[in-house]
Amino acid sequence: GEDVEQSLFLSVREGDSSVINCTYTDSSSTYLYWYKQEPGAGLQLLTYIFSNMDMKQDQRLTVLLNKKDKHLSLRIADTQTGDSAIYFCAERGTGRRALTFGSGTRLQVQP
Amino acid sequence: DVKVTQSSRYLVKRTGEKVFLECVQDMDHENMFWYRQDPGLGLRLIYFSYDVKMKEKGDIPEGYSVSREKKERFSLILESASTNQTSMYLCASSPPSGSHNEQYFGPGTRLTVT
Repeated sequence: GEDVEQSLFLSVREGDSSVINCTYTDSSSTYLYWYKQEPGAGLQLLTYIFSNMDMKQDQRLTVLLNKKDKHLSLRIADTQTGDSAIYFCAERGTGRRALTFGSGTRLQVQP
Repeated sequence: DVKVTQSSRYLVKRTGEKVFLECVQDMDHENMFWYRQDPGLGLRLIYFSYDVKMKEKGDIPEGYSVSREKKERFSLILESASTNQTSMYLCASSPPSGSHNEQYFGPGTRLTVT
């Protein structure tokens, strides 16, 4: 079946950029997503990218998609302590209703 | 704002008990989902429903069943709870497929089976 992989942990200093990486296997992926989960909360959609795009920017967030290598990344500029959370990469294949999620990357921002 | 609510934030049950987890959404969404979240494993899909009384198995349906009698409500049932079902359970809903089809999540129910 489809698979989405992420590293489990990333630590950065406040003010630095964070880059969270994700790889996926489903070549029919139409949309790819980044969700954020703060402690004790459900997941919240941060941003998404359609598979025919290679970049999307939204304020401090930049998403890069390399469809050939099936690689997705999320860059957070000027990382703040409030960005500390778990970040999930997810993808949706053509005609599918459900998403396939990665294991999540815990981002720790040190002051 | 879309709101997805779950009946309990924390639940403690004994092995062998029947457990009901309830989820309600207020945006008239067709699709509803149940996931479980475990450290290092991310979210795994248990079941989803695309219409009233319609359901499909996800990746890990064993030991679970679901019920969708009304569009806004999707229940997850553990027929006989076991300790390996101790987990965080997340419910989500989404509009019909088309556009980016965002899933909206509830706050989660942390279930402990002793």
